[in-house]
Amino acid sequence: EPEVTQTPSHQVTQMGQEVILRCVPISNHLYFYWYRQILGQKVEFLVSFYNNEISEKSEIFDDQFSVERPDGSNFTLKIRSTKLEDSAMYFCASSDGTSGLSYNEQFFGPGTRLTVL
Amino acid sequence: QQQVKQSPQSLIVQKGGISIINCAYENTAFDYFPWYQQFPGKGPALLIAIRPDVSEKKEGRFTISFNKSAKQFSLHIMDSQPGDSATYFCAASKPDTGRRALTFGSGTRLQVQP
Repeated sequence: EPEVTQTPSHQVTQMGQEVILRCVPISNHLYFYWYRQILGQKVEFLVSFYNNEISEKSEIFDDQFSVERPDGSNFTLKIRSTKLEDSAMYFCASSDGTSGLSYNEQFFGPGTRLTVL
Repeated sequence: QQQVKQSPQSLIVQKGGISIINCAYENTAFDYFPWYQQFPGKGPALLIAIRPDVSEKKEGRFTISFNKSAKQFSLHIMDSQPGDSATYFCAASKPDTGRRALTFGSGTRLQVQP
């Protein structure tokens, strides 16, 4: 069964450093998302991406964040200058964008745990 | 207005019992309400979803009940099993340019005791 994959599974970085989180969405999917989950809290939407541009971003997704689809398979989230409060689990999701009852069902990857020291 | 409120925060149920998790929303633009199941170390996985044109949807032991006027929906897990022990998130989305970004509830940690 196709699945979303994410690397690395755990990233430890120093405050102020740049990190890039990588995702490989399901191959025929057209819509891509990043969510984050601070430990013990709910999953929060960061950004959606379609046709090589951002569709929507939340208040969390400020200027230190950027997303990119550098090739036909990868989807990346870059945090330019990490802060302590960026420590969280980051989930990538993808969808094929079909309508109908599934209403754009999103398939989530296993996540990357980011720890900022 | 974008929030989805979920309760309880945690739930302990005996094997064979019924687990009930409730969610409420404010934004009437929401028109799709999925439930996600998350096991430790894994990403959320879609369990079951409903649209507001029906009041109930059942898939196996899992049922969503939807009350449009009250802006509430709930997940019922019948004959709960230890393998159902996980964190459950309700969510909602609306038709917009955000490609249906999901707004999640705060999650319910379910423990089914053998």
